[in-house]
Amino acid sequence: AQSVAQPEDQVNVAEGNPLTVKCTYSVSGNPYLFWYVQYPNRGLQFLLKYITGDNLVKGSYGFEAEFNKSQTSFHLKKPSALVSDSALYFCAVTPQGGYSTLTFGKGTMLLVSP
Amino acid sequence: EAQVTQNPRYLITVTGKKLTVTCSQNMNHEYMSWYRQDPGLGLRQIYYSMNVEVTDKGDVPEGYKVSRKEKRNFPLILESPSPNQTSLYFCASSLESRSSYNEQFFGPGTRLTVL
Repeated sequence: AQSVAQPEDQVNVAEGNPLTVKCTYSVSGNPYLFWYVQYPNRGLQFLLKYITGDNLVKGSYGFEAEFNKSQTSFHLKKPSALVSDSALYFCAVTPQGGYSTLTFGKGTMLLVSP
Repeated sequence: EAQVTQNPRYLITVTGKKLTVTCSQNMNHEYMSWYRQDPGLGLRQIYYSMNVEVTDKGDVPEGYKVSRKEKRNFPLILESPSPNQTSLYFCASSLESRSSYNEQFFGPGTRLTVL
């Protein structure tokens, strides 16, 4: 069975500093990996995904994520955090090949202070 | 505007009173899904549908029913709600079912309280 671990319930960072939200996964075979963001009282929004190819994936709002197969990780990063980035972030995984359900992590709350 | 809509957005009900949460998408997506979100547990899939008349159980299907009679609609039915079904529910859709690499589009959520 596939699984996702987001080891930090909350990440605090000051505006202008770089941010990292961690994600590790377990899946049979090669993965498709996703990051979603949830702003207060809103549904989830897609940020970026890894399908194949370049290990560094660029997404919306200046976010990027690095796929590391040997460490089974897909950490979300941004060079300079904004207060408006404060939200709940979810990592998700599904195995490549045919259809399979998407498994989400428990989420990490990112708080960016002014 | 391309979107997934859910109704109602908020619902307070009592144990045992049947209810339906509607979900509709206007993007001609094949795949639709229902999730529930609970604190500390993230999102867990309830049911999903690969296309019209094709539905399957997710990770937590007990106490729920779904139907997919039309491509755009995917209602979630709670025949006899119980307090442990108090949760935030999300409907989602994606373009096609043959592969899992398509991102999902989420509705705004339905906050359900069962007393």
